Amino acid sequence: SQTIHQWPATLVQPVGSPLSLECTVEGTSNPNLYWYRQAAGRGLQLLFYSVGIGQISSEVPQNLSASRPQDRQFILSSKKLLLSDSGFYLCAWSANRGPFTEAFFGQGTRLTVV
Amino acid sequence: KQEVTQIPAALSVPEGENLVLNCSFTDSAIYNLQWFRQDPGKGLTSLLLIQSSQREQTSGRLNASLDKSSGRSTLYIAASQPGDSATYLCAVPSYNNNDMRFGAGTRLTVKP
Repeated sequence: SQTIHQWPATLVQPVGSPLSLECTVEGTSNPNLYWYRQAAGRGLQLLFYSVGIGQISSEVPQNLSASRPQDRQFILSSKKLLLSDSGFYLCAWSANRGPFTEAFFGQGTRLTVV
Repeated sequence: KQEVTQIPAALSVPEGENLVLNCSFTDSAIYNLQWFRQDPGKGLTSLLLIQSSQREQTSGRLNASLDKSSGRSTLYIAASQPGDSATYLCAVPSYNNNDMRFGAGTRLTVKP
């Protein structure tokens, strides 16, 4: 069966510090991968998605970036965090076969920038 | 642009009640619709996926219906339990089918 792992679960970082959140998927190959952010009391906002290694699409201009160094690994990064980067970050995957299929989410990372 | 709306934003019911959560979307040309559950501070758990060719899907006490032409879906929860307390989100594929558009969710509280 497929599983998705996301870490760390919580993170407190000072303004201006770098960020690296990691997500890995097991039990499937060539998945579509996604990073979402959920602000308090608001819906989920898509940040990045990837349909293959090295293929990253960004939905929202920001100081965050994403990379996919391996087929089932998706990394969210920042060189310098802002206070506004605080939020709940979720990684997700879906099968890469035609129109958007069922999506599965990790347990999320709570990021607090202080 | 696909917009997803969920009503009500919050709902509180006594244990044992049957209840309905609503989801509406603006673009009816969707391939599927997915319902999720989110517990506080946790990720999303997939509950049901309805394909565009289906009118409903059932899993245990949950039944989700889909009316594409009217841009609506409902999630029916039978005999609610305190353990059902969570936020329920619906999502549909975006116009380019590369991701999903989410509603803001309905926060459900089932009181013992």
